[in-house]
Amino acid sequence: DAMVIQNPRYQVTQFGKPVTLSCSQTLNHNVMYWYQQKSSQAPKLLFHYYDKDFNNEADTPDNFQSRRPNTSFCFLDIRSPGLGDAAMYLCATSREIGLSYEQYFGPGTRLTVT
Amino acid sequence: EDQVTQSPEALRLQEGESSSLNCSYTVSGLRGLFWYRQDPGKGPEFLFTLYSAGEEKEKERLKATLTKKESFLHITAPKPEDSATYLCAVQATGTASKLTFGTGTRLQVTL
Repeated sequence: DAMVIQNPRYQVTQFGKPVTLSCSQTLNHNVMYWYQQKSSQAPKLLFHYYDKDFNNEADTPDNFQSRRPNTSFCFLDIRSPGLGDAAMYLCATSREIGLSYEQYFGPGTRLTVT
Repeated sequence: EDQVTQSPEALRLQEGESSSLNCSYTVSGLRGLFWYRQDPGKGPEFLFTLYSAGEEKEKERLKATLTKKESFLHITAPKPEDSATYLCAVQATGTASKLTFGTGTRLQVTL
């Protein structure tokens, strides 16, 4: 089945220690998104890639970076995690941009910062 | 700024007891309104997209409706497996594909 895969499902990192979260997709979608979801809160868009074009949300901290080396993979890098970065990180894809295409989400990576 | 407010925050129903969840929104121009289901510790699962006032969509025990200011998710004769958090999101015109989510309604269906 075509799907969105996130690894690892659970990640523990130390305060200030860089961490990378991974997302891959078999849907061959052009757009990939990263959302942050804290407990009992709404998912919040951090940034998205349309093909190789990177689009950052204005309020996304500089501590968060992303890479998309090819169509299938996208990475979220947190350069110096703080305690406030503990959250569920969700990767999503959609076929195209600019129209009401639904977004398909992966299972998420739960990040703990100690 | 686009805003989505969902109510109630939590809802407990007995099996077979129908009810509705509300999603109120303010957006400069609506491109689409989306409903998702999220189980604990998992990513949101797509349910419906609604595009214009008056539109309705159904899937099994769920029916979503849309007006110019709000959307309702009607659950008819729910079963325990319908227990989840239901998220509403809007996509505004001129915002590429950004979804603005509400905080969701946590639904629990008991026997």
